[in-house]
Amino acid sequence: GQNIDQPTEMTATEGAIVQINCTYQTSGFNGLFWYQQHAGEAPTFLSYNVLDGLEEKGRFSSFLSRSKGYSYLLLKELQMKDSASYLCAVRDSNYQLIWGAGTKLIIKP
Amino acid sequence: ETGVTQTPRHLVMGMTNKKSLKCEQHLGHNAMYWYKQSAKKPLELMFVYSLEERVENNSVPSRFSPECPNSSHLFLHLHTLQPEDSALYLCASSQDLEGLAGKWDTGELFFGEGSRLTVL
Repeated sequence: GQNIDQPTEMTATEGAIVQINCTYQTSGFNGLFWYQQHAGEAPTFLSYNVLDGLEEKGRFSSFLSRSKGYSYLLLKELQMKDSASYLCAVRDSNYQLIWGAGTKLIIKP
Repeated sequence: ETGVTQTPRHLVMGMTNKKSLKCEQHLGHNAMYWYKQSAKKPLELMFVYSLEERVENNSVPSRFSPECPNSSHLFLHLHTLQPEDSALYLCASSQDLEGLAGKWDTGELFFGEGSRLTVL
């Protein structure tokens, strides 16, 4: 079966750095997405990786290793507004999106 | 109006009621989706419409009935639901391109804020 694993919950301190991991086992691979979802709001697109390596976008970076079936989302200089759930999703060989259950990130002052 | 809008935001219904969820996208996209989001579970794809034709139906019970009258509007008709159907129902849209071997290359998804459904 197809599976996406990510931690259920993480806690970090304002101003610090946090890394949210995502491992996947899917039938083929056509890209990996990260979405952010604040409580009671719509998920919003953060990043897309299809080749190995690091993609940087301001305070957020996303890394992919296709050989290891692994990605992480790195958040720097954490702010209180970064408290949200972070969803990892992989597009398989049929271009279907397989979703993880999400990681709830709690930022403490 | 911008993005993807869903109404109602909250809905409480009995198991014998009939109600509908509405979604409208103002992005000019060619594909629309219904997802179910339950606490601590992955998003579950229910239906996909591309160019107003249903291209995906992930074995969803018949008590859920989608309707896509045009590329900007999507409905989810609900009847005789069960308490376990209580969840957040998310609508999304994307601009899809036909990829290799006729497969759809799904672009970035733009989500609405969801309709929180409670079935009593």
